[in-house]
Parts: sequence; C-alpha cells; structure tokens
Amino acid sequence: DAKTTQPNSMESNEEEPVHLPCNHSTISGTDYIHWYRQLPSQGPEYVIHGLTSNVNNRMASLAIAEDRKSSTLILHRATLRDAAVYYCILVGNSGGSNYKLTFGKGTLLTVNP
Amino acid sequence: GAGVSQSPSNKVTEKGKDVELRCDPISGHTALYWYRQSLGQGLEFLIYFQGNSAPDKSGLPSDRFSAERTGGSVSTLTIQRTQQEDSAVYLCASTWMESSGYGYTFGSGTRLTVV
Repeated sequence: DAKTTQPNSMESNEEEPVHLPCNHSTISGTDYIHWYRQLPSQGPEYVIHGLTSNVNNRMASLAIAEDRKSSTLILHRATLRDAAVYYCILVGNSGGSNYKLTFGKGTLLTVNP
Repeated sequence: GAGVSQSPSNKVTEKGKDVELRCDPISGHTALYWYRQSLGQGLEFLIYFQGNSAPDKSGLPSDRFSAERTGGSVSTLTIQRTQQEDSAVYLCASTWMESSGYGYTFGSGTRLTVV
C-alpha cells in the first residue's frame, strides 16, 4: 500500500489559517488523495479529496504538488471545532488491492483560543 | 437516511457471549467497510463488501469474527465468544463508487465493551 507521512501534531490559533502537510512520495498515477478528520469520540469525517488539481469545498482547500508527491490541507480560518486528528490517505487500486482506506496516525491539530 | 447509521451505539457484553453489530449504509452506496478502533489507537480495517463480489475478509482478526451484507444494503458484524481484547469502537463506512474517487461516509460507531 502506498504510504503517507504526516507530522504527529500541529498547533494553531483560532481564526488563523492552518496548513497541514502530507508526503506521499510513492503515490501511483491512479491514487486519489483523501483527507479525513476525527473529532474526539466520533467516527472519521470526510473533508476533501483530489487527484491532480487543487480542490476547494466549504470545509477546506487541498493543494496538490505538481509531481503529486505531497499535498497540503488548508483550513482558511481555524475554529475551536477544527481541533481533531487529520488523516491523509491514498485511495486507489494499486497492485490489485481494493479501495480500502488505510489509516496512519494522522496529525493531531490543537487550536488555541 | 442521510448518513451511515450504526446500532447499537453502545454495547456492554459479558466475556464469552456473542454480539451482533448493525450498519445501515447510505442508500445506493455499493461499497461498505468495517473498521475497528481500540482506545487511543488508529483505525484497523476488518472487512469490505462491494456489490455482489466476494467480500475481502483479510482484516478479520480471527474466525470468531464474521460479517454479512444482505441485499447489498444492511450489514451485520458478528463476534462470537467475545474476549476482552475485542473491546473497541466498531466503525462502518460506505461509498458510492470508489473508482470514481468519491468520499467515504462513516457512521458514529458502536462502542463495544466486553467485561
């Protein structure tokens, strides 16, 4: 399975932008880059995903490097409710595997008031 | 419904008893996954259903675990002769067509406690 590397933790202040990095140097051409977050005592929540082009939605933006070996999740104005573990996951059918999500340890984002 | 529904939300059972956990995926979603998350740990893949294909059971930790998906919709995860190490949150997720890169929707999970 293609792997991702994320910092264990990051800290931000409320109402400031947050850039959460993810490295995925072994990504294959058919892998999608997905981001999920998990708030305490809840199931993971889909945030955003992309393939090659940058993506924007109501929750966040996803900036994908031209070589696709890294990506950055951007929260434009962090709120206290954004404090969660953020997971960057590659989803694809590389090597005949199904499209299951393989979760790493993610990045624990702390938002300070 | 609008989301993935799991029941019960909490289950306390005695060691050695069997339990059944239920997942109602989003209507029309063809793919369904079960994961579990032990306290303070990451998510561990258990089993995957896609349409009428044979399920991928590669993540089931032992033969005490089984799952079925009836009519391509509702899924039930069964744990026989529960052990204390089975205590975890069991999460279900569904998606429409993975090959098209749709996001996955997770339920809130069933917290299983084996005493």
